[in-house]
Amino acid sequence: GENVEQHPSTLSVQEGDSAVIKCTYSDSASNYFPWYKQELGKGPQLIIDIRSNVGEKKDQRIAVTLNKTAKHFSLHITETQPEDSAVYFCAASMETSGTYKYIFGTGTRLKVLA
Amino acid sequence: ETGVTQTPRHLVMGMTNKKSLKCEQHLGHNAMYWYKQSAKKPLELMFVYSLEERVENNSVPSRFSPECPNSSHLFLHLHTLQPEDSALYLCASSQGLAGVETQYFGPGTRLLVL
Repeated sequence: GENVEQHPSTLSVQEGDSAVIKCTYSDSASNYFPWYKQELGKGPQLIIDIRSNVGEKKDQRIAVTLNKTAKHFSLHITETQPEDSAVYFCAASMETSGTYKYIFGTGTRLKVLA
Repeated sequence: ETGVTQTPRHLVMGMTNKKSLKCEQHLGHNAMYWYKQSAKKPLELMFVYSLEERVENNSVPSRFSPECPNSSHLFLHLHTLQPEDSALYLCASSQGLAGVETQYFGPGTRLLVL
């Protein structure tokens, strides 16, 4: 069935360093890829997303890249700060009316060490 | 605050109990979702409602019974649960059902079944 693999499951970085989380999806029809951040005691919140007609998107310290040929997409966080510590989920979906299923990855627990 | 509230935040129940989880969204959205979040697993979509009609029942056991009385409220009725049902139950909403709609999550209900 459709699935999204996410790596690594845990990631520790020093404050100020960069963090990269990678996802691979199986359904070649997927064309929408959101990233969610889940802080302790809260539900996931969208932080950035990308559509398949774009190879890269950036929002301040966060960027997402997409390689449709390889079915890979990645989240890049630069100049990490302690408040970036959270669990990050990637997901794949289809931009089709009436299609609503996100296929989520298993999550990456990011720890930013001060 | 995401505009999606869930009550209770924590629940402990025995296998013979009956309880209900409540979700309310204040965003004027038309679609609502129940997810199950277990450790080291992807978020599992359980139920989807669009304009108060159920459009998805993702092979969920009948001991979970959803109810959507209006577009702002969603309930999950629980009865004769099993210990393996212990998890974080997340409610989400989105404007519509298209696969690119951002889903807004509540903080979840942490359920422990004894």
